Amino acid sequence: GAVVSQHPSWVICKSGTSVKIECRSLDFQATTMFWYRQFPKQSLMLMATSNEGSKATHEQGVEKDKFLINHASLTLSTLTVTSAHPEDSSFYICSARDFYEQFFGPGTRLTVL
Amino acid sequence: RKEVEQDPGPFNVPEGATVAFNCTYSNSASQSFFWYRQDCRKEPKLLMSVYSSGNEDGRFTAQLNRASQYISLLIRDSKLSDSATYLCVVNAGNQFYFGTGTSLTVIP
Repeated sequence: GAVVSQHPSWVICKSGTSVKIECRSLDFQATTMFWYRQFPKQSLMLMATSNEGSKATHEQGVEKDKFLINHASLTLSTLTVTSAHPEDSSFYICSARDFYEQFFGPGTRLTVL
Repeated sequence: RKEVEQDPGPFNVPEGATVAFNCTYSNSASQSFFWYRQDCRKEPKLLMSVYSSGNEDGRFTAQLNRASQYISLLIRDSKLSDSATYLCVVNAGNQFYFGTGTSLTVIP
């Protein structure tokens, strides 16, 4: 099946710094990618929908200026957590659709100290 | 009301038992339905799609009831390796909606 990669797989940063997470579709083109966040023992929560060549659509309650999304090509979307704080510590997962099925990246575990 | 609702469990069952999970969805226009499996600290992975006619894959059987707007997953002869969280996923338009997941632990 299709493969989606994420980088980095884990990151620890100081409060106030910005963190960039990359999501790549490795063997297919994805005009739309999705970014999710998952807190411990909770379900995936959609943060934003990333569209190639246009602005991302952020879900209600997700600040677009804090969670910057850039979908620069058909195989790459990036999520930047700006001025990260400890409450942003979470598991961030991206996904991309291959016509019918949704494939998930392996996730990025962010810890903000 | 949530788009997708699942009983979070946990379900603790002995090896060899049969266990069933249900999931309800609120959008009657939902088009496709899936069960995903998520292991601890890993990404969800597709377990099986759910078709209107029902479908079976080995020990796993998925069913869809559009009239009552629920889907189910039946696991027969549970194995220790089946321990995971099972996510119900519903697709409507360009959106995928996730249930909270049902935690299953199979006990030796």
